[in-house]
Amino acid sequence: DTGVSQDPRHKITKRGQNVTFRCDPISEHNRLYWYRQTLGQGPEFLTYFQNEAQLEKSRLLSDRFSAERPKGSFSTLEIQRTEQGDSAMYLCASSLTGDDNEQFFGPGTRLTVL
Amino acid sequence: GQSLEQPSEVTAVEGAIVQINCTYQTSGFYGLSWYQQHDGGAPTFLSYNGLDGLEETGRFSSFLSRSDSYGYLLLQELQMKDSASYFCAVSPLEDMRFGAGTRLTVKP
Repeated sequence: DTGVSQDPRHKITKRGQNVTFRCDPISEHNRLYWYRQTLGQGPEFLTYFQNEAQLEKSRLLSDRFSAERPKGSFSTLEIQRTEQGDSAMYLCASSLTGDDNEQFFGPGTRLTVL
Repeated sequence: GQSLEQPSEVTAVEGAIVQINCTYQTSGFYGLSWYQQHDGGAPTFLSYNGLDGLEETGRFSSFLSRSDSYGYLLLQELQMKDSASYFCAVSPLEDMRFGAGTRLTVKP
């Protein structure tokens, strides 16, 4: 499978715990995006990378959220001190530079905070 | 900031044509994209309009009018498998903002 993959697919955690998600983009894609989606809403932009550089981070993203893409390949999204409001589907997408409007999405990680 | 408006729900019958409108307000604008998402699935790219006019891809067409900050997705010869949520998305810079989505239900 040469698409975008995400791990884990599901995560249940208790409030206050830290969680980390991984995204592996399509190999030749140098742009990688993280979104959050809740039921009945569209994906909400969180942050994106051009290779290993994090170029933009949503102002809505609290300091508890951090993302890395250390070697310009896979990326991790960490949420510290999770809250019930963090429960959502976390989507990763990748694209080629200059073709950002055609993003390829992974299956997502569904986070449930109890 | 950015805002996008699209109808929350649309219902149509198999074989019909349906148009899903999207109006946007954004401080910068590169283009308008459309994505389809089936329940439990990931969004998949349908089309992109960077310039005014109509883009056609098979049964799907998308239109953009920059002067009116408006676009639409046209689905022809509807099939049951077209039942899904459809999102318009704007590219204000190099990121993307999605609308809340239109849930399309196709009935036999």
